Amino acid sequence: QSVLTQPPSVSAAPGQKVAISCSGSSSNVESNFVSWYQQLPGTAPKVVIYENNKRPSGIPDRVSGSKSGTSATLGITGLQTGDEADYYCGAWDHSLNVYLFGSGTKVTVL
Amino acid sequence: EVQLVESGGGLVQPGGSLRLSCEASGFTFSNSWMHWVRQAPGKGLVWVSRINSDGGSTTYADSAKGRFTISRDNAKNTLYLQMNSLRAEDSAVYYCANFGRSIWGQGTLVTVSS
Repeated sequence: QSVLTQPPSVSAAPGQKVAISCSGSSSNVESNFVSWYQQLPGTAPKVVIYENNKRPSGIPDRVSGSKSGTSATLGITGLQTGDEADYYCGAWDHSLNVYLFGSGTKVTVL
Repeated sequence: EVQLVESGGGLVQPGGSLRLSCEASGFTFSNSWMHWVRQAPGKGLVWVSRINSDGGSTTYADSAKGRFTISRDNAKNTLYLQMNSLRAEDSAVYYCANFGRSIWGQGTLVTVSS
């Protein structure tokens, strides 16, 4: 089954910002909530954005989510070394009747 | 404390079976839809299955249909994944998750090998 499309990697210097795109279709990203997951090496995924743009408690406001049409974006400003991780988007697909994850993006702090 | 704790992973031979468990605490499990997600070594996240709050409705990824069965015991606050006819490509860390409350377990490793 298909996945949502993300860039393999993004990078920026400490204090700068990165944006990670998640491209889907009308049956998933456009019509259902998008979540974003952070996975630090060797650990379980952690939700950093749910319902397109909401942050769970404990997630700083440096992290933001947005959606437009069939694409969603995760933004991280004031980049810190602790932000180095793999990030995945996810959304339900009502045509396939499955939950889809993005291919994952590795964030590197230069 | 809100948490999900998986167990039941291990080494199994191809064609064998394994039952994973996920014990929930700190939230109303019986009101929650629950999911299983897996991640092969060095690979991305892959959704496996979901079950509604009373266990009456289940959904599977194509890779799990006919081989895996998701179930739950709300009296025990526990989610299960029965995996049969296991293949090498089923080797992965298996996570249980409550998407609605943004809760994930720490995962349990399944290795299918002779």
